[in-house]
Amino acid sequence: GAGVSQSPRYKVAKRGQDVALRCDPISGHVSLFWYQQALGQGPEFLTYFQNEAQLDKSGLPSDRFFAERPEGSVSTLKIQRTQQEDSAVYLCASSSRVLETEAFFGQGTRLTVV
Amino acid sequence: AQKVTQAQTEISVVEKEDVTLDCVYETRDTTYYLFWYKQPPSGELVFLIRRNSFDEQNEISGRYSWNFQKSTSSFNFTITASQVVDSAVYFCALSGGSSNTGKLIFGQGTTLQVKP
Repeated sequence: GAGVSQSPRYKVAKRGQDVALRCDPISGHVSLFWYQQALGQGPEFLTYFQNEAQLDKSGLPSDRFFAERPEGSVSTLKIQRTQQEDSAVYLCASSSRVLETEAFFGQGTRLTVV
Repeated sequence: AQKVTQAQTEISVVEKEDVTLDCVYETRDTTYYLFWYKQPPSGELVFLIRRNSFDEQNEISGRYSWNFQKSTSSFNFTITASQVVDSAVYFCALSGGSSNTGKLIFGQGTTLQVKP
């Protein structure tokens, strides 16, 4: 596709359930980012991939959060044993180079933990 | 530490008014990049502009203009003759540092409502 695609768009999970969120970046984009956006707040950085290498995971809030990009294209953000505070929009972004370029964002996955 | 502050939480204007969205940033890096993104109700962040720290020239793109002032650490965004379609949340963001990967530090956002 032409843009960054995320699925599902909406996810309702029961507390304690595991979830997996998918991101299809723009084809050929080297860099991939995950952000978490709580209601009424700006996005906050979670993790960064350069191709298949996860170079920065400093923003992951706990060891329940795990991300992968095994073939340097599609990425999955997994949250284990979801809690109510995990409710947020999860945004994925990709860019064609490491620096000096803008990132293109997907529409996000809205996760609600009940 | 890097930080971006957008002090205006919500702004409401009437169509055709000019409006300025404020952005103040903090960083110890000498090389950094500043961005503005628009987030319409659909949720997707739309890129508007990127400036690097060595280029303080103001920029104009149609009804949009940006004023970058390193002396006051500000990167303000002005919409001239606002339109209803400009209604959205606007985010200012910063990236930089010696190990810069391009990750963005966002402000809290300013919700702009343009009334007909």
